[in-house]
Amino acid sequence: GAGVSQTPSNKVTEKGKYVELRCDPISGHTALYWYRQSLGQGPEFLIYFQGTGAADDSGLPNDRFFAVRPEGSVSTLKIQRTERGDSAVYLCASSLSGGKDEQYFGPGTRLTVT
Amino acid sequence: KQEVTQIPAALSVPEGENLVLNCSFTDSAIYNLQWFRQDPGKGLTSLLLIQSSQREQTSGRLNASLDKSSGRSTLYIAASQPGDSATYLCALENQAGTALIFGKGTTLSVSS
Repeated sequence: GAGVSQTPSNKVTEKGKYVELRCDPISGHTALYWYRQSLGQGPEFLIYFQGTGAADDSGLPNDRFFAVRPEGSVSTLKIQRTERGDSAVYLCASSLSGGKDEQYFGPGTRLTVT
Repeated sequence: KQEVTQIPAALSVPEGENLVLNCSFTDSAIYNLQWFRQDPGKGLTSLLLIQSSQREQTSGRLNASLDKSSGRSTLYIAASQPGDSATYLCALENQAGTALIFGKGTTLSVSS
């Protein structure tokens, strides 16, 4: 079946603008994760959804970052008042039911803030 | 707080060589450990997942081992090929089971 998909693949925005990044998880997966990967670093956890609710948002760096998953499938990561330091690859992953289940990653969205 | 370290940061080998990538972690109370491959500009591909009750997993030319007591995992690649060139990432579940904690990766280059 189809894997995790993310759109757009690349996004260039100006400092101060608002952006939305979309993630389509594998069908039937209840758990969804967002990570951020800066150049030369491993991915860093941002937020974890179980169904429609954010079960762990401890990785969100500040209140400019917000994510939703209103119907328990597609998720949107929203960044307000973007800063140059937000430039990174944003990765989405899903797993069947969370916990110890294997996570499957999407190709990522490369965000560049100019 | 769990910390994951991968050594070396980069490795270059000739084709056909066997090699070992290392991953160490600070908290031995772990759940799953996963090894991923990342090609330039791409997402992550899961290679092997070792559950906490297991000591190793094998897939083709890849073998991953886990020693919780010493806080180490190794990824062994046999008979390396140029197509193995990529960044290899090690990741552990956090204690809450809500996220993976990644190392910075080892970038492997296999020359023909």
